[in-house]
Amino acid sequence: DIVMTQTPLSSPVTLGQPASISCRSSQSLVHDDGHTYLSWLHQRPGQPPRLLIYKISNRFSGVPDRFSGSGAGTDFTLKISRVEADDVGVYYCLQATQFPWTFGQGTKVEIK
Amino acid sequence: EDQLVETGGGLIQPGGSLRLSCAASGFAVSNNYMIWVRQTPEKGLEWVSVIYPDGSTYYLDSVKGRFTISRDNSRNTLYLQMNSLRAEDTAVYYCARGHCTPTFCYNNPDYWGQGTLLTVSS
Repeated sequence: DIVMTQTPLSSPVTLGQPASISCRSSQSLVHDDGHTYLSWLHQRPGQPPRLLIYKISNRFSGVPDRFSGSGAGTDFTLKISRVEADDVGVYYCLQATQFPWTFGQGTKVEIK
Repeated sequence: EDQLVETGGGLIQPGGSLRLSCAASGFAVSNNYMIWVRQTPEKGLEWVSVIYPDGSTYYLDSVKGRFTISRDNSRNTLYLQMNSLRAEDTAVYYCARGHCTPTFCYNNPDYWGQGTLLTVSS
């Protein structure tokens, strides 16, 4: 199975400041079809996850442009350009290149 | 508005069986691939199973042979039949829709239900 490792596991941030989360996979996430199926999700307490970014860097419908994704191969990053109060919660990366699909452990973003 | 509503969770003894349902509205489960994901505080999010429009299915190794994913197109509902339940199956179970556009299906879920809690305990 592909292991997804996120860092940091906790990220206290100041409102209006940037935040960055790293996700590393134990093997390349490039699919046989040439696409890289790495996505990012956000989960607020008591809520289901919601999709933020798909295929490394594509923002899902309605996701603010302060969220951006980047990376390739085995190393990926989610950046929030200016953290807002609504951004608190846990962020997960997900690889769906190979079965079983696997998630990172989650990174908790909280306001300082 | 697209919506997914899971039901069927509860308390069940080890070795027992239970069926989770996920009622969809706003779209047809038959036209989308559909996913089950579970979540525990200890293991986090864990993909369980997927069913594609052509009926093909895939499972997490630890549930293979015990869980069966299916759908009823007339009811627009996704199911997860769970047999031989174990304590380690205890989790919140989410159903989610696969992310597809008119031209391409991406390998990731887009919309998720609110989840249903399964507790396996004697």
